[in-house]
Amino acid sequence: ETGVTQTPRHLVMGMTNKKSLKCEQHLGHNAMYWYKQSAKKPLELMFVYNFKEQTENNSVPSRFSPECPNSSHLFLHLHTLQPEDSALYLCASSLDRGAEAFFGQGTRLTVV
Amino acid sequence: GNSVTQMEGPVTLSEEAFLTINCTYTATGYPSLFWYVQYPGEGLQLLLKATKADDKGSNKGFEATYRKETTSFHLEKGSVQVSDSAVYFCALSSSRNAGGTSYGKLTFGQGTILTVHP
Repeated sequence: ETGVTQTPRHLVMGMTNKKSLKCEQHLGHNAMYWYKQSAKKPLELMFVYNFKEQTENNSVPSRFSPECPNSSHLFLHLHTLQPEDSALYLCASSLDRGAEAFFGQGTRLTVV
Repeated sequence: GNSVTQMEGPVTLSEEAFLTINCTYTATGYPSLFWYVQYPGEGLQLLLKATKADDKGSNKGFEATYRKETTSFHLEKGSVQVSDSAVYFCALSSSRNAGGTSYGKLTFGQGTILTVHP
C-alpha cells in the first residue's frame, strides 16, 4: 500500500462510452501525474499537475481530459477512445515535481 | 533533455544467482536517481534511491551506487529469489537546480523484465 489509490482497477469500455478514472492520495503531496503503460512500450508521462495547476501535457489526444479539483484528487475523463488506448493507466504523486513518486496500482483499461 | 537507458531484457536467472541490471543516464542539473520495481498486476514501487554522487541506495538486498563519472546507476543483488521476478525501472529526476528549487520531473528507462527460476 503506497498511499495512492486508483479506482476502478479494471475497466472495459466501448469506443462510444464516457468513463472516468479516479486517483486519490492523502500523503500531503503537491504534484500528481498520469502515466500510460502499454505492452512493449516505455512508460509514457501524460499529464502533470502541481498545486492543482496543469504544468505539463505531453501531446495527449483530447479524448483524454484530466481534472484536478484539489491536491488530493486527480481524474482522467475518457471519451470516444480507440482500441489502441487499451493500457494500464497509472497515477502517481510526489511531494513536489521531480521528487520520488508514489504510484497507485493502476487501472487496466480495455477499449472494445 | 534527460534520458535513461537500461540494459535490454528479459533477464532470466536461477535462484541465488548474482543480478546486475545496467542503467546509464544523461541529465542536466543535479539529478537524483531511482530504481522502481513493478510486480505483476501492480503499480510501480520505489525500490531504492540516491540523491548525490557516490551515494549508495540499498533495500531488500538490492544496491545501486550513483556514479557521476560514468553516469551510471547499476542495480545489483548478490542472491536473487523467485519472488524478485518483476519489471525493474531506472529513473532520474533533475529535481533541484543550483538554487535548491525543485522544478524537474521523473524520466524513466524502458524497464527490464527479470524472471528468476527455482
